[in-house]
Parts: sequence; structure tokens; C-alpha cells
Amino acid sequence: AQSVTQPDIHITVSEGASLELRCNYSYGATPYLFWYVQSPGQGLQLLLKYFSGDTLVQGIKGFEAEFKRSQSSFNLRKPSVHWSDAAEYFCAVGAHGSSNTGKLIFGQGTTLQVKP
Amino acid sequence: DAGITQSPRHKVTETGTPVTLRCHQTENHRYMYWYRQDPGHGLRLIHYSYGVKDTDKGEVSDGYSVSRSKTEDFLLTLESATSSQTSVYFCATSDRANQETQYFGPGTRLLVL
Repeated sequence: AQSVTQPDIHITVSEGASLELRCNYSYGATPYLFWYVQSPGQGLQLLLKYFSGDTLVQGIKGFEAEFKRSQSSFNLRKPSVHWSDAAEYFCAVGAHGSSNTGKLIFGQGTTLQVKP
Repeated sequence: DAGITQSPRHKVTETGTPVTLRCHQTENHRYMYWYRQDPGHGLRLIHYSYGVKDTDKGEVSDGYSVSRSKTEDFLLTLESATSSQTSVYFCATSDRANQETQYFGPGTRLLVL
């Protein structure tokens, strides 16, 4: 069965520091991978997604993620964090296949706190 | 962003009462989804729809039913609310299944007393 693990429940970084949020997935074939961000009291917004091709994916707000098949990982990175990046981040995996109906499996989420 | 609204945005109800949450979209997306969000669990799929009158169960469907009589509306019903259904409920839509971004509504916060 598909699953997604975000090992870090809560991360605190200083403003201007670099950030890496970890995501590990379990899936028997090549997955679709997503990162979403949720600001307090809001719905989820897509940051970036990977389907195929270049394993380094660029997203909005200066985020990027790298798909590493050998490690079953899709870690999210940002070189310099801004206070407005404080939010909850979710990694999600979807399945290839004609029978798929777009269902996503989400990780538990990582809450990012940014120190001034 | 896709035009997705959810109503109500907040609701307090008592155990044993039926509750219906509404998701409305203006994007003409074929696929619609209901998730619940709970601390430590991320988002879990309750039910989804792949067209008008076409729905199927997700991973946490017990105690919930859905209906979709029009493309733009997807209703989630708690037949007899329980305290374990206290949660934040999100609706999402997508234009296609595979490879497609899901767009999320603002959420409905439900408290079952």
C-alpha cells in the first residue's frame, strides 16, 4: 500500500537560514509527488509537483524539491527562509494507472516555525 | 486559484444529529474529494467523486455518505454525528485524475459535542 512519512513533526529555523523538509514514500512504481503548504486557518496550496523527467523540481515561493528514487524521498528545500514561510507543509503521493482517480495519500505534515 | 467554497465554515452540533457539509466549485472540474484533517494524521480521504452521480469510498468512509447531483456541488453527510468526527473537513477538486493538481477549499471546522 502507498504511504508517506514526514519524519519531522515540527521544525524551527531562523529567518534567512536554509530549510529542508523530509518526505519518504512507499509505492511500488513511480509515483506522482506533491508538496502542499497550509497557512493557519487556510486551505492547502500547491508548492510543486513531480511526475517525470528532471528530478529537481522548482516551485512557487522559491521552493524546490528533489526526487530520489533510490532513497524513496522527495525532500523540500529553500535556500533562505522568510518569516512568511511559517506554515504547515504536507507531502503527498498519487498513483499512476488508468484506474486511478487522482486519490492522494498525505503525510502527517511538518509545522515550520521561523525565528526572527 | 479554483473557485471552491465550503459551507458552513464552522459548525457545532450534538452527538447523534445528522450534518451536511457542502462543497461548491465554479471550475467545472470533474473530480471532487472530501478529506478530513486531524493532528498527527495529515489529510485522509473520506469519499471522492469522478463525475455526476459517480462516487466511491476513501480510506475513512465509515459514518459518512456523499452525493453529487450536479458537477458543481459535492455534499458530505454525517448520518449520525459522533465526537470522533470532530475535525476540519476539506473539499478538493481537480480537472483530471492523474498528474493533476488538486485545488482545496478553505475548510469547514466541525465540533461534535
